Amino acid sequence: ETGVTQSPTHLIKTRGQQVTLRCSSQSGHNTVSWYQQALGQGPQFIFQYYREEENGRGNFPPRFSGLQFPNYSSELNVNALELDDSALYLCASSLGLATDTQYFGPGTRLTVL
Amino acid sequence: RKEVEQDPGPFNVPEGATVAFNCTYSNSASQSFFWYRQDCRKEPKLLMSVYSSGNEDGRFTAQLNRASQYISLLIRDSKLSDSATYLCVVMLKTGANNLFFGTGTRLTVIP
Repeated sequence: ETGVTQSPTHLIKTRGQQVTLRCSSQSGHNTVSWYQQALGQGPQFIFQYYREEENGRGNFPPRFSGLQFPNYSSELNVNALELDDSALYLCASSLGLATDTQYFGPGTRLTVL
Repeated sequence: RKEVEQDPGPFNVPEGATVAFNCTYSNSASQSFFWYRQDCRKEPKLLMSVYSSGNEDGRFTAQLNRASQYISLLIRDSKLSDSATYLCVVMLKTGANNLFFGTGTRLTVIP
């Protein structure tokens, strides 16, 4: 196992609601990236946090936001949920920006009805 | 145009067969290259990094051709446990270390 944990494992919401997903990075890892994986697709980069600051963002609207805490755990918040937000949300931790290897957590499966 | 393109398959092969997956990437500034494996309803797991000199890990061999922007993965002597989706991944270091994933190639190894 990678040592990266995510909660909850599954979640069902309705359109217009808000959701918060959580990620605990591997011990010592100060960088967390979030990805969205729709059914039948590869993961797509949402954003990355490095030492509590956003360090890059993919092509996702502002209603996708995040935080990283001093212990390097992270949250992904999605407001005004849409049906197309239904996906597996993955977080990946890594040791700094100089390293290439990212270790993925088990993901949170979000269903929006 | 997608950053990473790969044949979605599916590939159905008998045990013991050799199977090859290919992918292409569009951004010549891509700096790092990987193959990830993803089992059904699980997270992606790093299978191997890919280097221009080529690299091998047991039954798995990966190759990178920077001139053609082409990445390959060869699996020899396929096992039932190799059944999974194989994701071709490139990294662009443009501020964030952003991984770009292909859609994945589904492999089923048949007894």
